[in-house]
Amino acid sequence: AQKITQTQPGMFVQEKEAVTLDCTYDTSDQSYGLFWYKQPSSGEMIFLIYQGSYDEQNATEGRYSLNFQKARKSANLVISASQLGDSAMYFCAMGRNTGFQKLVFGTGTRLLVSP
Amino acid sequence: DAGVIQSPRHEVTEMGQEVTLRCKPISGHNSLFWYRQTMMRGLELLIYFNNNVPIDDSGMPEDRFSAKMPNASFSTLKIQPSEPRDSAVYFCASSLDRVRETQYFGPGTRLLVL
Repeated sequence: AQKITQTQPGMFVQEKEAVTLDCTYDTSDQSYGLFWYKQPSSGEMIFLIYQGSYDEQNATEGRYSLNFQKARKSANLVISASQLGDSAMYFCAMGRNTGFQKLVFGTGTRLLVSP
Repeated sequence: DAGVIQSPRHEVTEMGQEVTLRCKPISGHNSLFWYRQTMMRGLELLIYFNNNVPIDDSGMPEDRFSAKMPNASFSTLKIQPSEPRDSAVYFCASSLDRVRETQYFGPGTRLLVL
């Protein structure tokens, strides 16, 4: 069975600073994908970034990067130059790298960016 | 491009009533997922379809819940009869059934059962 653990219920960061949101996972699969989603107070789930288990380089998407450490089974999200609009819940998720992915989500981390 | 469309966005009903939630996936996507989000249980997968066929409904909480996908552009999640513990946000998501494909979520339906 797959499991995602997010140990930080809440994080605070000042505007323009970088922040790392932790995610560890457990799976017996060799091929899998890791995802991060953002959920602002309005409620929608917004896809941020994806990392495949066989990807040799860490994924990056604009100000988002994923610090993937396969041996440690961690997939931390790094947000650089935080903005007020980054205040939201952040969910880490994983799925098998098959054709259609059944995602398992973590409990989320609430990020608050202060001016 | 239109994203995943869900209706209604908000639903308030009384215990015992039937509730039907609707979803239109992104055009061309052939996998569709229904999730439920609550404070106690977080985000959990209820059922997912591939090419309109239910693949895994092990997350459906009980027989009161049913889901259908009559065609590639429409799916419903029905609760009959509804109970207060069904109050949650229900998300529909869709994706292509290819490796590395991302699931894109709809805005969700916020359900309150009184």
